[in-house]
Amino acid sequence: DIQLTQSPSSLSASVGDRVSITCRPSQTIGSYLNWYQQKPGKAPKLLIYGTSILQSGVPSRFSGSGSETDFTLAISSLQPDDFATYYCQQSYITPYTFGQGTKLEI
Amino acid sequence: EVQLVESGGGLIQPGGSLRLSCAASGFSVSNTYMIWVRQAPAKGLECVSVLYRGGGAFYADSVKGRFIFSRDNSENTLYLQMNSLRAEDTAVYYCARAKEWDLGGSFYFDYWGQGTPVTVSS
Repeated sequence: DIQLTQSPSSLSASVGDRVSITCRPSQTIGSYLNWYQQKPGKAPKLLIYGTSILQSGVPSRFSGSGSETDFTLAISSLQPDDFATYYCQQSYITPYTFGQGTKLEI
Repeated sequence: EVQLVESGGGLIQPGGSLRLSCAASGFSVSNTYMIWVRQAPAKGLECVSVLYRGGGAFYADSVKGRFIFSRDNSENTLYLQMNSLRAEDTAVYYCARAKEWDLGGSFYFDYWGQGTPVTVSS
């Protein structure tokens, strides 16, 4: 199975800050990397697919970059609604694994 | 509007069986890839099964031989039959739509249900 390692595991930031979350797969996955946001008690929400393609309706302050074995989710100018847990997920090969999550706290 | 609504979760004893349902609206499950993802308490996300358009399915090693993912096209509903349940199957189970992209080379999960909790305990 492909392991996805996210860093950091948790992150403290303030409204208006720019933050980045890294996801490193255990093997190359091309550009088949997706990002989700999850709030407590809620289902995950798709933010970005194919490394950098913003899902419809997602604010443009979210962006994704990278390839193969090094990927980044960036959030420019944090808003109060952005404090949540973020997961990367690979769709290169089954099982479609997720990273362990990054909790973004105020 | 696309919507997924899960049901069927609950408290079950180890070794028991449970069938989860996922009612879909706004699209047809008959020609769509679908997935079940679970989340154990205070843990991350795990893909347990994928149902392919042709009807075949993938199962994670942790559930292979115990879970069956199926669909009823006439009801536009998906099912996850869970047998020989173990304490480690305790989780919130989500169904989600797997949208193809890159000419079917990959997927992303664009619509999710609200989840149904399963607790396996004596």
